[in-house]
Amino acid sequence: QVQLVESGGGVVQPGGSLRLSCAASGFTFSSSGIHWVRQAPGKGLEWVAFIRYDGSNKYYADSVKGRFTISRDNFKNTLYLQMNSLRAEDTAVYYCARRGISGSPDYWGQGTLVTVSS
Amino acid sequence: DIQMTQSPSSLSASVGDRVTITCRASQGIRNDLGWYQQKPGKAPKRLIYAASSLQSGVPSRFSGSGSGTEFTLTISSLQPEDFATYYCLQHNGYPSFTFGPGTKVDIK
Repeated sequence: QVQLVESGGGVVQPGGSLRLSCAASGFTFSSSGIHWVRQAPGKGLEWVAFIRYDGSNKYYADSVKGRFTISRDNFKNTLYLQMNSLRAEDTAVYYCARRGISGSPDYWGQGTLVTVSS
Repeated sequence: DIQMTQSPSSLSASVGDRVTITCRASQGIRNDLGWYQQKPGKAPKRLIYAASSLQSGVPSRFSGSGSGTEFTLTISSLQPEDFATYYCLQHNGYPSFTFGPGTKVDIK
């Protein structure tokens, strides 16, 4: 079955960096676009970034553009999110989610918590 | 940017009740809309895609309708496991998407 497993979350100081990973299994990873989505504590869901199946195009929310970088390794079936210049407002659970055929994300990981605090 | 609103923001209902949640888009999005259920501490789960198509494995008491700017999620007979927060998501502006603010369904 389709599985997405995030890792790499933790506590980091403002201005610091963190790299999240999302390990995929149960489907042809190299054929699927993947999103990062986040949810601040007690808040709603916010789209963060997307990468096409082959890594040829990457897209970002304005709130993270220039600070976050999405990438993928199709040989390792793994998605990444490099987060630099972190701010308190980046504190959230970060989910990876597969883009479904219909266009909306169909499968989600369980999430990894990032806390930006001094 | 396309903005999404949902109503109500919360509701209290009893097991067996029929529940309807409405989502409105600030501009037409055809049928590029999904509905998601989220329980505390869990990832969102897709219930409906393309506005009215039922995700495989989701009970048939869930249904979606609408097109353009107004959409509805209906739960025909609320079950105990359905108490959760529900979000609509529009994906008309590839590849980004926007969620509605959510509707929390709790026990009356």
